[in-house]
Amino acid sequence: KAGVTQTPRYLIKTRGQQVTLSCSPISGHRSVSWYQQTPGQGLQFLFEYFSETQRNKGNFPGRFSGRQFSNSRSEMNVSTLELGDSALYLCASKDRESLNEKLFFGSGTQLSVL
Amino acid sequence: AQKITQTQPGMFVQEKEAVTLDCTYDTSDQSYGLFWYKQPSSGEMIFLIYQGSYDEQNATEGRYSLNFQKARKSANLVISASQLGDSAMYFCAMREAYSGGYQKVTFGIGTKLQVIP
Repeated sequence: KAGVTQTPRYLIKTRGQQVTLSCSPISGHRSVSWYQQTPGQGLQFLFEYFSETQRNKGNFPGRFSGRQFSNSRSEMNVSTLELGDSALYLCASKDRESLNEKLFFGSGTQLSVL
Repeated sequence: AQKITQTQPGMFVQEKEAVTLDCTYDTSDQSYGLFWYKQPSSGEMIFLIYQGSYDEQNATEGRYSLNFQKARKSANLVISASQLGDSAMYFCAMREAYSGGYQKVTFGIGTKLQVIP
């Protein structure tokens, strides 16, 4: 099976613009979650989608939104970009809903806001 | 309070030596899962090892073992016989169940491990 695919790999935007990131999970995985990673902050949970429904959302402003399509592919959108949004955005998928179910991560999208 | 605490921002280890990366966690749940992930410079997070809260024995996966001390709420990762390819960021994570039957994963801020030849 192909792994989790995130596109694009790199993005450079300016303040005030908006951006859309894409994530294709492993075939058959219905759960997709998004994380923001910045130096010194680790991974901060953004949101999780399961079968096109948002199940959980982290403590991020409303500028951060997402959606999931019927084929489980997910997109994340950030509007009105700020300098502090510069980060590595990671997408992860998983197969089952058990406590021992590991997450499969993509290589991330590195977003730079100038 | 931080759910996952990793107090070592950076660690050095000599090749072929063992190294322990520290992780403490905070939860009031009885049922939870603990994970370690590795992130090389390429950016992709790679699963290393899992320990369930009810598992009585420490988990092992090849050169990786998890030193689980439930009473102290610690889940340290031990890497034996370090290799140059082990140089990476290492993240401790905890999965808890929450209302609605769903689960939430919380990550620590990571430890950067550098293996010296």
